[in-house]
Amino acid sequence: GIQVEQSPPDLILQEGANSTLRCNFSDSVNNLQWFHQNPWGQLINLFYIPSGTKQNGRLSATTVATERYSLLYISSSQTTDSGVYFCAVRGVTDSWGKLQFGAGTQVVVTP
Amino acid sequence: DTGVSQDPRHKITKRGQNVTFRCDPISEHNRLYWYRQTLGQGPEFLTYFQNEAQLEKSRLLSDRFSAERPKGSFSTLEIQRTEQGDSAMYLCASSLQLEAFFGQGTRLTVV
Repeated sequence: GIQVEQSPPDLILQEGANSTLRCNFSDSVNNLQWFHQNPWGQLINLFYIPSGTKQNGRLSATTVATERYSLLYISSSQTTDSGVYFCAVRGVTDSWGKLQFGAGTQVVVTP
Repeated sequence: DTGVSQDPRHKITKRGQNVTFRCDPISEHNRLYWYRQTLGQGPEFLTYFQNEAQLEKSRLLSDRFSAERPKGSFSTLEIQRTEQGDSAMYLCASSLQLEAFFGQGTRLTVV
């Protein structure tokens, strides 16, 4: 099945700093989503971005499908950005149901 | 649209007992998914329904696990004869097209 690698595994930021999270995947995809898992465990949808670039406030994401990677940018980070960020993909040869998640990037934003 | 709803949020059970979790998807979504997440890992796919039909089951879904979606609306996930290794967060998601939306999860602790 498709492999998903996220980097870095951990990130400590001072409030106001910018950062970039990376997601590499091993095959062509028809779905790529970025999630933020809050301290209570819920996965919050950030972006549905199998290709192209999107922005939502201080967050933006870019997927270069031909090169099999996606980037999530956090600008002017705030303490509320802390948590685990997951990239999840569905390969074009995978069944409809299965999203393959990476191991996540644990982000801590300090005041 | 109140999002995907899961019940209960937390469940503590003794080893060997049976437990059942419920998931109510977003109302117009015909696809429903169950995932399991253990500490420090990304969610792993368990099973997928399209309407009432269970179309895919992961090898992670042992014979002690059963999922149903009897009328194509809510779904239940039952674990029989629970083991300590079943302790995890159980996440439900739903979708109309490719983008999946997750519920708050049910955190199971087997003691």
